[in-house]
Amino acid sequence: SQQGEEDPQALSIQEGENATMNCSYKTSINNLQWYRQNSGRGLVHLILIRSNEREKHSGRLRVTLDTSKKSSSLLITASRAADTASYFCATVKAAGNKLTFGGGTRVLVKP
Amino acid sequence: NAGVMQNPRHLVRRRGQEARLRCSPMKGHSHVYWYRQLPEEGLKFMVYLQKENIIDESGMPKERFSAEFPKEGPSILRIQQVVRGDSAAYFCASSPRSDGPNYGYTFGSGTRLTVV
Repeated sequence: SQQGEEDPQALSIQEGENATMNCSYKTSINNLQWYRQNSGRGLVHLILIRSNEREKHSGRLRVTLDTSKKSSSLLITASRAADTASYFCATVKAAGNKLTFGGGTRVLVKP
Repeated sequence: NAGVMQNPRHLVRRRGQEARLRCSPMKGHSHVYWYRQLPEEGLKFMVYLQKENIIDESGMPKERFSAEFPKEGPSILRIQQVVRGDSAAYFCASSPRSDGPNYGYTFGSGTRLTVV
């Protein structure tokens, strides 16, 4: 099974609404990262939150991390049609040497 | 400053042929990671290489798959005797440091392999 599991698998919202997606993981981590993938393209790094951090902001993105529940959330505020993409969480285990990805959340923002 | 370059973007192979996928990391990056993505799924780790060394190949299938990152030139992911199940998008990422996972990766645009 995967280290990270995103929820929901798919999300459809209107432009201007907020989009929230969650990620759960199984083992202790060093950090957790969120990536975006537009259809047919590579992944783009969005934000990284370390295990000793609880919340982080970057523009319209807000990430939270709850290590006691082994979960993270990504909030996109005031969504735009251009935010339509798949979003993946990825974790680095403590003393790990690679990223492990979840299955992703497909977000559709309707104009 | 070119990003991570992968070629070809699309590759079609008949069953039994060989597929060679290339990845040129960003300038100054000596650490390369290969991932495979099946349709509608997340990325699965395959192999982590540093120049001339395989560091972690725990995600590589035991047969038909190999990877290298020579002193000069791109990293190569080689799939021998391809089967339909090898059809996927293959992504490479690079980092300038061994603790690159702790800072995030730069990904290439991927190679989409179709086996017919």
